[in-house]
Amino acid sequence: ILNVEQSPQSLHVQEGDSTNFTCSFPSSNFYALHWYRWETAKSPEALFVMTLNGDEKKKGRISATLNTKEGYSYLYIKGSQPEDSATYLCAFGSEMDSWGKLQFGAGTQVVVTP
Amino acid sequence: DVKVTQSSRYLVKRTGEKVFLECVQDMDHENMFWYRQDPGLGLRLIYFSYDVKMKEKGDIPEGYSVSREKKERFSLILESASTNQTSMYLCASIPGVGSYEQYFGPGTRLTVT
Repeated sequence: ILNVEQSPQSLHVQEGDSTNFTCSFPSSNFYALHWYRWETAKSPEALFVMTLNGDEKKKGRISATLNTKEGYSYLYIKGSQPEDSATYLCAFGSEMDSWGKLQFGAGTQVVVTP
Repeated sequence: DVKVTQSSRYLVKRTGEKVFLECVQDMDHENMFWYRQDPGLGLRLIYFSYDVKMKEKGDIPEGYSVSREKKERFSLILESASTNQTSMYLCASIPGVGSYEQYFGPGTRLTVT
């Protein structure tokens, strides 16, 4: 059973369109919420680490918001480009877990078509 | 740049073989992790280590063991490989305890026949 759920599982986006997807996680014992981008044949790379309720982070055309009280985070991609095609993983860090352990969601696979 | 390397990108082994997956990081990170990734299941933690010779079981340790004799190297061992261990294996590291981003290796796609 995944405590961290991501939706949708996959989505197809036309180049230039904007899109967003969701990560839901337990609203108790929150410590941190991570977003990673995993491109085919590459290592997953961190996009954001968010620790405060109401956090908003931005990197280029990608941004994320965090609501720890209701247990969700959104990732937004503005003006999608083919290079945005990847699987986006979110991961929840709990106060109850030690040593930097994370619980990962199954990911949202994004395909951007020209 | 932090670099995490894994010994093989692709590996094919037979049922019953002992399999070693090696992970090396070059940034003096304290904590290291082994995950497996299967479709629809996300990354699941097998084992992690917070210091040399120190290890803790993750969520799915059965059928696996680990070794950390040096700080930079964390090995995952499949004592007797089985077909249900066919998966993508990822290694990661972080500097220490805290909300640090994890640095991942490129993964090893293991097939057990």
